[in-house]
Amino acid sequence: AQKVTQTQTSISVMEKTTVTMDCVYETQDSSYFLFWYKQTASGEIVFLIRQDSYKKENATVGHYSLNFQKPKSSIGLIITATQIEDSAVYFCAMREPATSSGQKLVFGQGTILKVYL
Amino acid sequence: NAGVIQTPRHKVTGKGQEATLWCEPISGHSAVFWYRQTIVQGLEFLTYFRNQAPIDDSGMPKERFSAQMPNQSHSTLKIQSTQPQDSAVYLCASSLDGDWGGGTLYFGSGTRLTVL
Repeated sequence: AQKVTQTQTSISVMEKTTVTMDCVYETQDSSYFLFWYKQTASGEIVFLIRQDSYKKENATVGHYSLNFQKPKSSIGLIITATQIEDSAVYFCAMREPATSSGQKLVFGQGTILKVYL
Repeated sequence: NAGVIQTPRHKVTGKGQEATLWCEPISGHSAVFWYRQTIVQGLEFLTYFRNQAPIDDSGMPKERFSAQMPNQSHSTLKIQSTQPQDSAVYLCASSLDGDWGGGTLYFGSGTRLTVL
């Protein structure tokens, strides 16, 4: 069965610094899809970035990038030059391919990020 | 692109009443998901449709919850005889999936259900 674990409950960082959020996952499939989402204070869940397991290059979108370590079943989210508006809850998630019985998106518990001046 | 639309945004019901939640997925998306979010349980999967067919309802409480997708433009989640423990934010999401699946899910704003 799929499982996604985020061990950091809360992180506080100073504005303009870099932060890394950890995520490890469990799956029986050799191919799978990994995602990071952000939930804002208003409750909106916003897609940030994804990594397909068969791709070796780490995904990058704007000031978000991923540290994908497949042998360790790890997908860390790196936010560079953090801003106050990055304060939110960040969720890691995994999805298996259509050939699998587990097509749903499985979420981690979330990490609260607080960015201060 | 309007995104995933959920109505109503807030719903208050009395214990034992029925609640129906609506979702309009992004046009062209073939997969629709329902999730529930609470402080204690986090984001819980409920059910999933692909091309309007139910694929996985493993997260649905069997007795009082049901979901349908009568056409490609909307899905409903119905909760009969609501109980206080059903209070949560119910989220709908859709994705564009090919044969390989794995499409990115895009979420609606959610419906906050409060059962008094």
